[in-house]
Amino acid sequence: DTAVSQTPKYLVTQMGNDKSIKCEQNLGHDTMYWYKQDSKKFLKIMFSYNNKELIINETVPNRFSPKSPDKAHLNLHINSLELGDSAVYFCASSLSPKNIQYFGAGTRLSVL
Amino acid sequence: DAKTTQPTSMDCAEGRAANLPCNHSTISGNEYVYWYRQIHSQGPQYIIHGLKNNETNEMASLIITEDRKSSTLILPHATLRDTAVYYCIVRLFSGAGSYQLTFGKGTKLSVIP
Repeated sequence: DTAVSQTPKYLVTQMGNDKSIKCEQNLGHDTMYWYKQDSKKFLKIMFSYNNKELIINETVPNRFSPKSPDKAHLNLHINSLELGDSAVYFCASSLSPKNIQYFGAGTRLSVL
Repeated sequence: DAKTTQPTSMDCAEGRAANLPCNHSTISGNEYVYWYRQIHSQGPQYIIHGLKNNETNEMASLIITEDRKSSTLILPHATLRDTAVYYCIVRLFSGAGSYQLTFGKGTKLSVIP
């Protein structure tokens, strides 16, 4: 059983489209995250939700909107996709207070 | 979070111990040292963490100097599957400052047959 699962694994789309990436964890964790890894391989936090409440919101364009319907899910919706959004997006989860993060396999987004 | 400095890359012969250093001279008293790794095209994987005592688990050992300004991750018997980028991260253990992992460039470890 995959602990943190993301769908889709690959996403190819045109500029201007709207797309969503889904994340689910079956670890019973209370905190979930979205990270972006760009072409230079830098990993940066985008958002974090603890018990469905937003606790980290880094400088990310408001075209990116996370949604946490429950503690086991954190989805990422992206409006009006741009070329610069091409990257690998990783979802992660952790359990307070230790907050050791477990990552999904990533979603490779390519905007053409 | 305190800044860390790691070598860009290292090689290690298969079966030998891999010793990965990390400098964190500005670490504060309540910050922990965490190590994660990222194998090519996969999500980062937690390895180990510690405050000031040396730690060991099934994956690795963590040696933290007495002044806590540097640490070394030790993979006792490196295998080809240990080839990855290793990240040393300093942050709080719990509370508001514990949620964010700030990844640097890490050390690319290549295990050579």
